[in-house]
Amino acid sequence: TQLLEQSPQFLSIQEGENLTVYCNSSSVFSSLQWYRQEPGEGPVLLVTVVTGGEVKKLKRLTFQFGDARKDSSLHITAAQPGDTGLYLCAFNGGATNKLIFGTGTLLAVQP
Amino acid sequence: EPEVTQTPSHQVTQMGQEVILRCVPISNHLYFYWYRQILGQKVEFLVSFYNNEISEKSEIFDDQFSVERPDGSNFTLKIRSTKLEDSAMYFCASSEGVRTNGYTFGSGTRLTVV
Repeated sequence: TQLLEQSPQFLSIQEGENLTVYCNSSSVFSSLQWYRQEPGEGPVLLVTVVTGGEVKKLKRLTFQFGDARKDSSLHITAAQPGDTGLYLCAFNGGATNKLIFGTGTLLAVQP
Repeated sequence: EPEVTQTPSHQVTQMGQEVILRCVPISNHLYFYWYRQILGQKVEFLVSFYNNEISEKSEIFDDQFSVERPDGSNFTLKIRSTKLEDSAMYFCASSEGVRTNGYTFGSGTRLTVV
């Protein structure tokens, strides 16, 4: 069974700090997606990484796909309160390529 | 930007009652999904739907659940006889295809069974 473990589970930091969250598995994926979910809302796609070693930037967010395509990381520079939310990695799996989510990292950025 | 719309945003129901959660997917999307998120837990897959039939369902999606696309726009999830443990956020999502760059999720329906 393919599983995505995310760490840390919870993270509370001050505005302006940098942070990295991780998405790990023992399985190889053709691609991984990152979503952010704000309280009371559905997940919103941030990025899809496809190539091993790939780095993608979205303003202050930097996403990296591991060389072996088993893991991914999200680095946020100079975090802001608006970055607060649940960060989810996910992959397409199963018979119909349904989206399967990781365990999530809940980030709180204090002003 | 195209949206997936879900109604109602909140629903409170008594145990044993039937509920219907409604979704309007993005118009040119072909694949539709329901997910569930119990408070504090991960987002779980319930069912996928394509070409007017269920294409895959999880072990959570038992005989109490059904989905339907009654017309060209709505996609509904029915829970026949709700249980306390059905209390959760229910998210509808749609995508253009199975090998897609991502799903678009609705804002969810918070279902509370009392």
